[in-house]
Amino acid sequence: EAGVAQSPRYKIIEKRQSVAFWCNPISGHATLYWYQQILGQGPKLLIQFQNNGVVDDSQLPKDRFSAERLKGVDSTLKIQPAKLEDSAVYLCASKDLSNSPLHFGNGTRLTVT
Amino acid sequence: KQEVTQIPAALSVPEGENLVLNCSFTDSAIYNLQWFRQDPGKGLTSLLLIQSSQREQTSGRLNASLDKSSGRSTLYIAASQPGDSATYLCAVTTGTASKLTFGTGTRLQVTL
Repeated sequence: EAGVAQSPRYKIIEKRQSVAFWCNPISGHATLYWYQQILGQGPKLLIQFQNNGVVDDSQLPKDRFSAERLKGVDSTLKIQPAKLEDSAVYLCASKDLSNSPLHFGNGTRLTVT
Repeated sequence: KQEVTQIPAALSVPEGENLVLNCSFTDSAIYNLQWFRQDPGKGLTSLLLIQSSQREQTSGRLNASLDKSSGRSTLYIAASQPGDSATYLCAVTTGTASKLTFGTGTRLQVTL
């Protein structure tokens, strides 16, 4: 089974620029998560989708972050405009059933200068 | 609000030792608890998933236990090897929306 695919692997931008990340979950997985992991910390949930609907976006900084999951498959996460404190690894994860394991992609490492 | 704590934050052991990593959570109303491994620059790899009705799960040299009432889980690694060096994270699933909350991880180094 193919894993969760994310791109790009690395991105370096200047503050106030925009950036977008892409995620393709495991086929058939209804639930998709975006996490932000700052160096030395555990992942923090940004947004959770169930199919193409948002389940939880309570920790998403909506003034600058947006995410969508059209057709309930691929998802994109956008930051506009970026701040220095957005430097982190952005992880996408998916799972099928509520009590099944979570599968992660390799993440996108964002550096904002 | 669910909070997950992992102790110790870092651990260094010689090869061959058995070791225990600890995870505690504040809200015992969980659906499951999952242990992950993270290698530098990589995503997270699921190691073990314990449902709320289970007490433990085993996979090879790994054994995870769950005491839901006390809000604790342990990950036991037997006969540690240098290849076990990584950061180990636990995460609990709570709420009807399957919200996952992570601990900050334990960074393990197994030396020769």
